[in-house]
Amino acid sequence: SAVISQKPSRDICQRGTSLTIQCQVDSQVTMMFWYRQQPGQSLTLIATANQGSEATYESGFVIDKFPISRPNLTFSTLTVSNMSPEDSSIYLCSVSQGFSTDTQYFGPGTRLTVL
Amino acid sequence: AQSVAQPEDQVNVAEGNPLTVKCTYSVSGNPYLFWYVQYPNRGLQFLLKYITGDNLVKGSYGFEAEFNKSQTSFHLKKPSALVSDSALYFCAVRDGAAGNKLTFGGGTRVLVKP
Repeated sequence: SAVISQKPSRDICQRGTSLTIQCQVDSQVTMMFWYRQQPGQSLTLIATANQGSEATYESGFVIDKFPISRPNLTFSTLTVSNMSPEDSSIYLCSVSQGFSTDTQYFGPGTRLTVL
Repeated sequence: AQSVAQPEDQVNVAEGNPLTVKCTYSVSGNPYLFWYVQYPNRGLQFLLKYITGDNLVKGSYGFEAEFNKSQTSFHLKKPSALVSDSALYFCAVRDGAAGNKLTFGGGTRVLVKP
């Protein structure tokens, strides 16, 4: 399985600021995803990061709030913009090789607290 | 649309006793089913998956799960629980006819008491 790292592992931010989270994979992967896990909740898919094109966002998530980049097959960033306390969550990067039978593997997550 | 239900928010079990975490699903096409575990302050770790074939799937750390098509269930089991199995467990489903989206259940917290 791929080894996935995320930076930062945690951060405390002020309301109105933005934070960019990085996801690095040790091998090329076809699919990269970003999830949010609010305190005590399950995982919600924010978007699929597409290499060389705009990310595909799920209902309720928009590019202006969560801009995503994916410049190559091993790296992606998620920015949480104009943060509010409601954005306090764990943000998780996930990867797979793109077949529907493939396992998705997850990074360690970034724990974000917004004051 | 695909969905997953984990009917128990928490399961308590004594160490050495059997552990079962329940999961039911709904998909239009063929179900691809997954179990993950999340330890405190950690990401999700993959335990096992069912794609096709034998209904009993064996995975990491002594866990297994049984696919039951008629009951649309995929319960996670371990014959003898350890205190270190205390964690948050997530069931997830992907509809084979609907692309790559993985849908998660609400999670079940397992507490194994010594």
